Amino acid sequence: EAQVTQNPRYLITVTGKKLTVTCSQNMNHEYMSWYRQDPGLGLRQIYYSMNVEVTDKGDVPEGYKVSRKEKRNFPLILESPSPNQTSLYFCASRGRIQGWNEQFFGPGTRLTVL
Amino acid sequence: GEDVEQSLFLSVREGDSSVINCTYTDSSSTYLYWYKQEPGAGLQLLTYIFSNMDMKQDQRLTVLLNKKDKHLSLRIADTQTGDSAIYFCAESPKGSGNTGKLIFGQGTTLQVKP
Repeated sequence: EAQVTQNPRYLITVTGKKLTVTCSQNMNHEYMSWYRQDPGLGLRQIYYSMNVEVTDKGDVPEGYKVSRKEKRNFPLILESPSPNQTSLYFCASRGRIQGWNEQFFGPGTRLTVL
Repeated sequence: GEDVEQSLFLSVREGDSSVINCTYTDSSSTYLYWYKQEPGAGLQLLTYIFSNMDMKQDQRLTVLLNKKDKHLSLRIADTQTGDSAIYFCAESPKGSGNTGKLIFGQGTTLQVKP
């Protein structure tokens, strides 16, 4: 089954404790993105990747890092989480030759930073 | 700049039609989308419309696009309780083919009363 998976689905942590949210897709997609969803703001892009070892900042990259060492994985790293990073996070992927109707979203990771 | 606006809440009775509205600012967008998010779930692509179309119908869903006013609407006929969800309008701005970026509205919560 074609899918994007994220782990963990729920996480409660404390300020300053490094964490990683994993994202994996099994569709051999080139493009992957991370979004955060906040009430009243919709989804905003954090980082994106066009292919292995190619990443760039989205609209709200501050406080986040990403890596793309393998095509299928695109982890989101919070080196020193702060309470304003409490949010719902979505990973997304699509293939280079498919249209936008082929973009797949993961199930989301709800992060709480105390 | 790029911006997508939606009203935050809509309540309808089961069997009625629902109309969710959206305005956007980027006239160069090639595709406009409607996503559905059920409680605790990720985003599901409902439908999309290419920017040179005025209308698209897909079973109970009708999308209307007014390019002059930069207005997009989603009409759900015979609304059911299972349609209760958050609906996001999104656009793919010019140049987003390389970034995977979608600009999302704030989301409209649709409440369907029995």
